[in-house]
Amino acid sequence: EDQVTQSPEALRLQEGESSSLNCSYTVSGLRGLFWYRQDPGKGPEFLFTLYSAGEEKEKERLKATLTKKESFLHITAPKPEDSATYLCAVRTPGGSYIPTFGRGTSLIVHP
Amino acid sequence: DTGVSQDPRHKITKRGQNVTFRCDPISEHNRLYWYRQTLGQGPEFLTYFQNEAQLEKSRLLSDRFSAERPKGSFSTLEIQRTEQGDSAMYLCASSLPGTGGTEAFFGQGTRLTVV
Repeated sequence: EDQVTQSPEALRLQEGESSSLNCSYTVSGLRGLFWYRQDPGKGPEFLFTLYSAGEEKEKERLKATLTKKESFLHITAPKPEDSATYLCAVRTPGGSYIPTFGRGTSLIVHP
Repeated sequence: DTGVSQDPRHKITKRGQNVTFRCDPISEHNRLYWYRQTLGQGPEFLTYFQNEAQLEKSRLLSDRFSAERPKGSFSTLEIQRTEQGDSAMYLCASSLPGTGGTEAFFGQGTRLTVV
């Protein structure tokens, strides 16, 4: 069965302390890996789509990378406003291309 | 606002009552998804529409749950005879068509509390 595993479950950083979040997946025939940011009590906000190994996307302090088995979300010099839960989802072929989500990484950035 | 809209944002209901949620997707998106999310978990897939056709339902979706998307526009999710275990955030998302799989955009969700 296809699975998406995110690690760590929670991460506390000091402002300016760079780090990476991991999303590993076991799917057959990846058709897109997605990163979302979710603030408490709100719906997920789309960040990036990655389709093939070696692909990279950047947005402000965030950079997402993809290999054949995992994706990383690198956060460079984070600020307190980067505090949120970061969700990873994968889409596989077969009918409906429904995104399957991991449990997320809760990030807290202390000033 | 051209994003995905969900109504209501919050719903408190007594156990055994029926509730209905509405989702208005982004206008040009023909794919619509319902997810459920509980605290500390990622969104769990419930059901999926392409235009007005309900193409897939999760095993999580019991007989008490029903979803519709008349005319391929807005969608409703109804829960009959609510139980305390139904308390969760119900999320709607929409996306463009495409075999490559395009990103889904989410609404703000409906927080359901069953007391």
